[in-house]
Amino acid sequence: EDQVTQSPEALRLQEGESSSLNCSYTVSGLRGLFWYRQDPGKGPEFLFTLYSAGEEKEKERLKATLTKKESFLHITAPKPEDSATYLCAVRTNFGNEKLTFGTGTRLTIIP
Amino acid sequence: GAGVSQSPRYKVTKRGQDVALRCDPISGHVSLYWYRQALGQGPEFLTYFNYEAQQDKSGLPNDRFSAERPEGSISTLTIQRTEQRDSAMYRCASSSSSGANVLTFGAGSRLTVL
Repeated sequence: EDQVTQSPEALRLQEGESSSLNCSYTVSGLRGLFWYRQDPGKGPEFLFTLYSAGEEKEKERLKATLTKKESFLHITAPKPEDSATYLCAVRTNFGNEKLTFGTGTRLTIIP
Repeated sequence: GAGVSQSPRYKVTKRGQDVALRCDPISGHVSLYWYRQALGQGPEFLTYFNYEAQQDKSGLPNDRFSAERPEGSISTLTIQRTEQRDSAMYRCASSSSSGANVLTFGAGSRLTVL
């Protein structure tokens, strides 16, 4: 069974303090790893897709990387508006089009 | 429309009643997904449509849950004989094509079963 584990569950950072969120996965045949951002009371919002080990994607203060066992979401010099829950999800060869999500990391940036 | 629209936003019902949750996807989006999200958890897959065809319903918890998308646009998720354990946020998402990377999620329908 596909498993996605995110850590830490919650992270509090001072504004400007860089850090990384982790997503480890155990799947049969990865067909894509996805990062979404979710603000309170809203649906998840797409950030990145990664397909193969070594791939990296960047958007503003966020950079996502992928290895064969895990993905990292690096946040550089975060601002309070980066506060949200960050969700990782996988799509596999045998799961059709469904995404299997982790439980998320709740990120709080303190001004 | 500009985004994925779900209704009702909030539904409170008594145990044993049937409920219908509606999803209006982004215009032209071929694929439509239903997920369920418990508080503090990630979304959990329920079912998926490509046009009007239900391609995967492996995530539906039991036969009280059903979904349809008769004209390939609006979809309805129906829960019969609701139970307290059905209480959750039900989210719909759509994408422009099958296998597309970007799912656009709606704001969800929060179901509370008393």
